[in-house]
Amino acid sequence: NAGVTQTPKFQVLKTGQSMTLQCAQDMNHEYMSWYRQDPGMGLRLIHYSVGAGITDQGEVPNGYNVSRSTTEDFPLRLLSAAPSQTSVYFCASSYSTSGLNYSPLHFGNGTRLTVT
Amino acid sequence: KNQVEQSPQSLIILEGKNCTLQCNYTVSPFSNLRWYKQDTGRGPVSLTIMTFSENTKSNGRYTATLDADTKQSSLHITASQLSDSASYICVVSANRDDKIIFGKGTRLHILP
Repeated sequence: NAGVTQTPKFQVLKTGQSMTLQCAQDMNHEYMSWYRQDPGMGLRLIHYSVGAGITDQGEVPNGYNVSRSTTEDFPLRLLSAAPSQTSVYFCASSYSTSGLNYSPLHFGNGTRLTVT
Repeated sequence: KNQVEQSPQSLIILEGKNCTLQCNYTVSPFSNLRWYKQDTGRGPVSLTIMTFSENTKSNGRYTATLDADTKQSSLHITASQLSDSASYICVVSANRDDKIIFGKGTRLHILP
């Protein structure tokens, strides 16, 4: 199994450009999510989805859009890149997000984005 | 406010030595606590999960403890190896709203 696959691994954008970070999982997980990781800070939730056709905002959603047309894919779109969006982005999936089910998050290996 | 605090921020030890990483939390109502290992340039990977009724759990050279009364957890690494160099992230799940709260991690460096 490939697990969670993210592309690209690295990306440089100019301020104002748009792009899509791709995320795909082959574990048939219902729950998928996007995090950003910045130095000195914990992982922060951007958007998440509990199933195809359902998305919701996390802690830091501004400037990002998501969609979930299939169970496997959960792309993250940057509408108009800003230097504050320079970060490492992680996609994660889980069988369940419910704390009662104790399912771990499975992470991709990240996309390092630089906005100049 | 739900928070997860980890200490130390970073730690340097010699290969073969033991070390202990700490995690204090104020998450309520508590569901479970996970330790993740994040190698440089990779995503975090789950090491172990602790539930309310568990005090100690081992995974090879990694031993996690949980004191639900004081809301503290520790991750003890025995006979460290160079491959243990990584960030270790404590993550606490709350029963209410299915929230998952991340600590900022401890960066561990193992020197040969």
